[in-house]
Amino acid sequence: EDQVTQSPEALRLQEGESSSLNCSYTVSGLRGLFWYRQDPGKGPEFLFTLYSAGEEKEKERLKATLTKKESFLHITAPKPEDSATYLCAVHAGGTSYGKLTFGQGTILTVHP
Amino acid sequence: GAVVSQHPSRVICKSGTSVKIECRSLDFQATTMFWYRQFPKQSLMLMATSNEGSKATYEQGVEKDKFLINHASLTLSTLTVTSAHPEDSSFYICSARDYSGSGNQPQHFGDGTRLSIL
Repeated sequence: EDQVTQSPEALRLQEGESSSLNCSYTVSGLRGLFWYRQDPGKGPEFLFTLYSAGEEKEKERLKATLTKKESFLHITAPKPEDSATYLCAVHAGGTSYGKLTFGQGTILTVHP
Repeated sequence: GAVVSQHPSRVICKSGTSVKIECRSLDFQATTMFWYRQFPKQSLMLMATSNEGSKATYEQGVEKDKFLINHASLTLSTLTVTSAHPEDSSFYICSARDYSGSGNQPQHFGDGTRLSIL
């Protein structure tokens, strides 16, 4: 069974304090790992897709990396507007139609 | 690009009412759409995969007769919660995947529908 575990469950940072979120996965044939951001009362917003170990993607203060067992979302010098829930999801090779398995998410709060 | 629109954003209705939620892909064609349910402070739970022109595929434990899904066109899927009861109150979110591009295209999500059954 495909599994995705995110840690920590919640993270509180001061503005400018860099940190990382973790996404560990166990899947049968990874076809893609996705990071999303979700604001309260909204649907998830797509951030990154990673396909293979060693791959990295960047967008503003966010950088996502991938190994064979886990992915990290690095946040550099975060701002209060980065506060949100960050979701990790995997598309496994045994699934059809692009079905995703989501982790529980990390609630990030950035204090000014 | 890749915008998904979901309506309504919020519904409050009496027990026993049937509620229809629409999910539209605005700038791309979506052969497949997905319907999720999200409880407070929890992650997304896939309910069903909606395929244009064919029957939806439901996840284990999801009642097909309670949650009717129709995907009649490449840009529209609907979820009808039939005879809704308070336990059906939740946040329902749809997503769609643009298959026209190369690589493993991501799912793009609507902004969800908050359903409250009194």
